[in-house]
Amino acid sequence: KNQVEQSPQSLIILEGKNCTLQCNYTVSPFSNLRWYKQDTGRGPVSLTIMTFSENTKSNGRYTATLDADTKQSSLHITASQLSDSASYICVVSPWNNAGNMLTFGGGTRLMVKP
Amino acid sequence: DVKVTQSSRYLVKRTGEKVFLECVQDMDHENMFWYRQDPGLGLRLIYFSYDVKMKEKGDIPEGYSVSREKKERFSLILESASTNQTSMYLCASSSSTGYQETQYFGPGTRLLVL
Repeated sequence: KNQVEQSPQSLIILEGKNCTLQCNYTVSPFSNLRWYKQDTGRGPVSLTIMTFSENTKSNGRYTATLDADTKQSSLHITASQLSDSASYICVVSPWNNAGNMLTFGGGTRLMVKP
Repeated sequence: DVKVTQSSRYLVKRTGEKVFLECVQDMDHENMFWYRQDPGLGLRLIYFSYDVKMKEKGDIPEGYSVSREKKERFSLILESASTNQTSMYLCASSSSTGYQETQYFGPGTRLLVL
């Protein structure tokens, strides 16, 4: 069964600090891996997308990395801001990129404190 | 900007009531999805649709039905609400034209069944 495991489940950091969120998956073969940001009470919004051949992708202060050999991805947030407080969800698409076969991780809830 | 809207942000219903959740997207997307999101669990697919009047079961369709009479609108119906259907419901849409179809999410409807 395809699975996406994220760690930690929750994280509290001080404003201005960096942090790294982890995503391990078993989906194989896969087409792409996405990181979504979900603000409290809102729907998820796409941050980055990487195909199996990409190692890293940046979006401002967010940098995602992918190691397809070990089936691990990470999301690094640099110089955190209060607005980064949200849940971050890792999503893996299967080889055929079928929209109905996405596997979602349980998310990491990040709180940035002043 | 892609916009996905959902009819209600919060709903409180009683056990046995019929519940309608509506979702509208304004980007002429072919694909639409209904998920539920529960704490600690990844998003789980309830139903999806690839075209008007077309519907397919997702991973957890029991207790739900859907309707897609128009391309822009996808409704989720709980025929007889039960307490275990208390959850956050997220609608998403995506295009079929691109290889890497990003799903765009609505703000979610938080449903409480008493």
